Amino acid sequence: DTAVSQTPKYLVTQMGNDKSIKCEQNLGHDTMYWYKQDSKKFLKIMFSYNNKELIINETVPNRFSPKSPDKAHLNLHINSLELGDSAVYFCASSQARGSYNEQFFGPGTRLTVL
Amino acid sequence: GQQVMQIPQYQHVQEGEDFTTYCNSSTTLSNIQWYKQRPGGHPVFLIQLVKSGEVKKQKRLTFQFGEAKKNSSLHITATQTTDVGTYFCAGVTTDSWGKLQFGSGTQVVVTP
Repeated sequence: DTAVSQTPKYLVTQMGNDKSIKCEQNLGHDTMYWYKQDSKKFLKIMFSYNNKELIINETVPNRFSPKSPDKAHLNLHINSLELGDSAVYFCASSQARGSYNEQFFGPGTRLTVL
Repeated sequence: GQQVMQIPQYQHVQEGEDFTTYCNSSTTLSNIQWYKQRPGGHPVFLIQLVKSGEVKKQKRLTFQFGEAKKNSSLHITATQTTDVGTYFCAGVTTDSWGKLQFGSGTQVVVTP
């Protein structure tokens, strides 16, 4: 059983397109996250939801829009894709919000924008 | 803003040797977590340190949190090929609502 799953695993698309990445966790966690990992492996948080409520919204272009239909799912929609959006996007979850909870990461989605 | 720096960025180690990676924050942290990411994989939680001066061990891995709660270290003894990967520290400040600030990572390559 996969704890945190993401689809698709790979995404290759043209500049200007719109795409979505889906994430699901079956751990019963309340909090979910989106991270971006660039080519230098730097991990940066983008968004976090706690029980469907947006609690962390970092400085990311508004072309990125997260959506949490329920606490087990967190999707990421990206409009008008740019070359600089190429990266690996990780979804993660933790039992609750707050700093003392370990985060469980999904396998990642490698996005390549041509 | 808060910054968490890690050194070294790369570490080439001969199998059987020891090495240490260091994590430094510009601000005091409430706690720090360490993660390991294997090549092509995803970050996996290793440990969390909360108390000033805390030391925790996991087999050949020793984690330490500084007295001022601004730095941390990971020491690996008798490195094995299974230790290959990137090690990240991730710090949390008291006012960040649990937002993890990841360090830049130390990429470890082990030579048999």
